[in-house]
Order: sequence, then structure tokens, then C-alpha cells
Amino acid sequence: QVQLVQSGAEVKKPGASVKVSCKASGYTFTSYDINWVRQATGQGLEWMGWMNPNSGNTGYAQKFQGRVTMTRNTSISTAYMELSSLRSEDTAVYYCARGTVVVHNWGQGTLVTVSS
Amino acid sequence: EIVLTQSPGTLSLSPGERATLSCRASQSVSSSYLAWYQQKPGQAPRLLIYGASSRATGIPDRFSGSGSGTDFTLTISRLEPEDFAVYYCQQYGSSPGLTFGGGTKVEIK
Repeated sequence: QVQLVQSGAEVKKPGASVKVSCKASGYTFTSYDINWVRQATGQGLEWMGWMNPNSGNTGYAQKFQGRVTMTRNTSISTAYMELSSLRSEDTAVYYCARGTVVVHNWGQGTLVTVSS
Repeated sequence: EIVLTQSPGTLSLSPGERATLSCRASQSVSSSYLAWYQQKPGQAPRLLIYGASSRATGIPDRFSGSGSGTDFTLTISRLEPEDFAVYYCQQYGSSPGLTFGGGTKVEIK
């Protein structure tokens, strides 16, 4: 079955960067886009961007342009999302999500806490 | 950029009742690109409906989606205890990508 397994929780200081991983299994990794979506506590879902694992092409939400980088390692079927210049407002659960038009599968989420 | 507005923000109903959730888009959305998700506390969202009206694999037939253009609806015909959750609509657009509504919480009355 399709699984997306994300890396564990992170605590970072303001100004630092965080890199979250998402290991895919149960399907051909390069055949489906990977999106990253975040959710602050008690808030809604916020789309950050997408990546085509085959080509490496990416598209980022304007809000995150210049701060987010999405990459992949096809040899280990893993996608990465790096967010830089962290601030307290970036404290949230970050999800990887498989699909282009619609998200069929989600990772379990990674809590990133930004605190001094 | 298309904005999705969900209403009501909270729906208080009893098990067995019918739930009707609305998702309104700021401009026309292709039905093929409209989806609904359910999210329970501490869990990732789960796909319920795609293409505005097609149920995802394993989704009970008490869940149905309808609508076109700018107005879409998710209906739960008879609420089961496990249906009390937050529901999000989502649309896909080439720029910027995915957009989510603000969510509707269905709570036990």
C-alpha cells in the first residue's frame, strides 16, 4: 500500500533552517507529484508548493518564495522540504502529500517548533 | 488566485442527522479539480471526494459531493459518530497550485 513516512519532530531557533524528509513506498516515486502542506495548531491547511520527482521541477506558493526549497533523491524515493529564516509563525505540522490535482495520500506530519 | 470560502464555520448536529457543507469559490472552478477532505484531531487529512462528486476508495456512500462553477456541496446523509471532524474543500489551479478552504467543523450537538 502507498505510504509516505516523514522524519521526526524538530525544534529550531528563529533564523535557522529546517529540512523535513518524506520517504515514499508502495508506488513508483517518480510518477506522482509531491506537495507540501502545513497546518498551525488549530488552523487550516496551507499549501506551500509542489515538486515533480521525475524532473525535479518545482512550484512554490508566493508566500514562501525565496524561503522554501523542495528537492528529492530518487534512488531512495525520498522528497525533502527545506524552509529557511524560520520565525515563530512557522511553528506548524508539515505534511507531504502525493498527487497533483487532488491529494490521494498524506504523510503522518512533522511538527516543527520555532522557539528561542 | 482563487479563494475558497467554506460555510458554516461550525455545524452542530446529532448522530443520524443530515449535514450539508458549502464551499464557494471566488471564481469558477473546474469540477474535475474540486476535492473534499476529512480531518480528525491529531491525524492527517483523508480524501473523501474528488472531481466534485466521486467518492475516494473506501468512502461510505453516506458521503456525497455535488456542485459546479463556484458553488460546491458536501453532504453527509446520516451522521455516524465517526463523522464528527473538520472538513476541507480544495481546488487545483495551475497557478499557484492547491488551494484549501478554511474548513467546517462538524460537532456533536
